[in-house]
Amino acid sequence: DTGVSQDPRHKITKRGQNVTFRCDPISEHNRLYWYRQTLGQGPEFLTYFQNEAQLEKSRLLSDRFSAERPKGSFSTLEIQRTEQGDSAMYLCASSSTRGDRGYSYEQYFGPGTRLTVT
Amino acid sequence: GEDVEQSLFLSVREGDSSVINCTYTDSSSTYLYWYKQEPGAGLQLLTYIFSNMDMKQDQRLTVLLNKKDKHLSLRIADTQTGDSAIYFCAERTGTASKLTFGTGTRLQVTL
Repeated sequence: DTGVSQDPRHKITKRGQNVTFRCDPISEHNRLYWYRQTLGQGPEFLTYFQNEAQLEKSRLLSDRFSAERPKGSFSTLEIQRTEQGDSAMYLCASSSTRGDRGYSYEQYFGPGTRLTVT
Repeated sequence: GEDVEQSLFLSVREGDSSVINCTYTDSSSTYLYWYKQEPGAGLQLLTYIFSNMDMKQDQRLTVLLNKKDKHLSLRIADTQTGDSAIYFCAERTGTASKLTFGTGTRLQVTL
């Protein structure tokens, strides 16, 4: 088990460009979460998936943001027409509702993708 | 609503105990978590406690929960320089799967 991975680790883009981030959860984890963390703050929830279904979205997730998890494994987060206010660390986490112990309350985080919009 | 507060900074000497405090507002919180974040890295899950418990110990870590006062603390025994990081508490409420985080406490360990 290699943990949650995210790609790229860093992204610098110009305002108005589109960017896409990828998250690979821990294998067999059926829940996947996206959070955003700005400097000096704790992570803020954006959205989460159970398998391929997107079950909850935060009001922070504007129309310019879209997330997918088409096969219930990896997920992508796309930001269209980036703005300087989108500069942040984007964190992905995963957890499981299956397994010998049934429901797991542990969310494991990836290393994050740091986005800088110039 | 959900709101989690932490003090911003704590400095301790190596070998001493550290106590990081957190308060939360949502009385329906079911699980409360402590995460550690080192510079430029993601969050590492340290431990968590169910709301019907008042204490949990895991090696050098002790979590205390006062549900009446909505107060959570993390005690690190024999603090080491490798413990220097930002520590976040987080709450998980009801059937929602999201975590609500505090702003983090920066722990500085001095020699």
